[in-house]
Amino acid sequence: DQQVKQNSPSLSVQEGRISILNCDYTNSMFDYFLWYKKYPAEGPTFLISISSIKDKNEDGRFTVFLNKSAKHLSLHIVPSQPGDSAVYFCAASLDYGGATNKLIFGTGTLLAVQP
Amino acid sequence: KAGVTQTPRYLIKTRGQQVTLSCSPISGHRSVSWYQQTPGQGLQFLFEYFSETQRNKGNFPGRFSGRQFSNSRSEMNVSTLELGDSALYLCASSLDLGSNQPQHFGDGTRLSIL
Repeated sequence: DQQVKQNSPSLSVQEGRISILNCDYTNSMFDYFLWYKKYPAEGPTFLISISSIKDKNEDGRFTVFLNKSAKHLSLHIVPSQPGDSAVYFCAASLDYGGATNKLIFGTGTLLAVQP
Repeated sequence: KAGVTQTPRYLIKTRGQQVTLSCSPISGHRSVSWYQQTPGQGLQFLFEYFSETQRNKGNFPGRFSGRQFSNSRSEMNVSTLELGDSALYLCASSLDLGSNQPQHFGDGTRLSIL
């Protein structure tokens, strides 16, 4: 049962344009959402997160939007740069009041930014 | 500041053998989690440790086990290896428990089963 879904396995964008990566989830009890970026032969790197009580969080070129009624979140990268080319994972957590760090990941979206 | 260190980086085993993977968290981090990444499956949670205690376990068979030492270093063990155990095994550490604690991943151990 895939509780976190990334339905687009890949995305290609021109340099300087906006990249929009999408993620859907099924469990309305998730209280925290995160995005990680992963280059080949490296571990995932934390990008940005958002609490379920918010609908937007911004950090430089990265913005995450959360639509709880639709159980949908998205990551916007503006402007996209060739160095952003990587696999992006969406993840969700059930905090249980600070009792766990367990993350549930989507299957990832490969972003290719064309120069 | 050194990151999360996983050893070895690559490992080749045959079916039926057992393997032990090691993870050294960032200095001061007390929580360690393990994930398995296979093509098309994303990252699947294996287990997490905090203060030498297993706090949570994923949906994996008993062949998968782990432990954490007093210095927060962690090991995971897989016994009676199967072909399907071929995967990238990732370790993540964080300062404490709670989803607002960013998790920092190591570069993983690539395990191949022949």
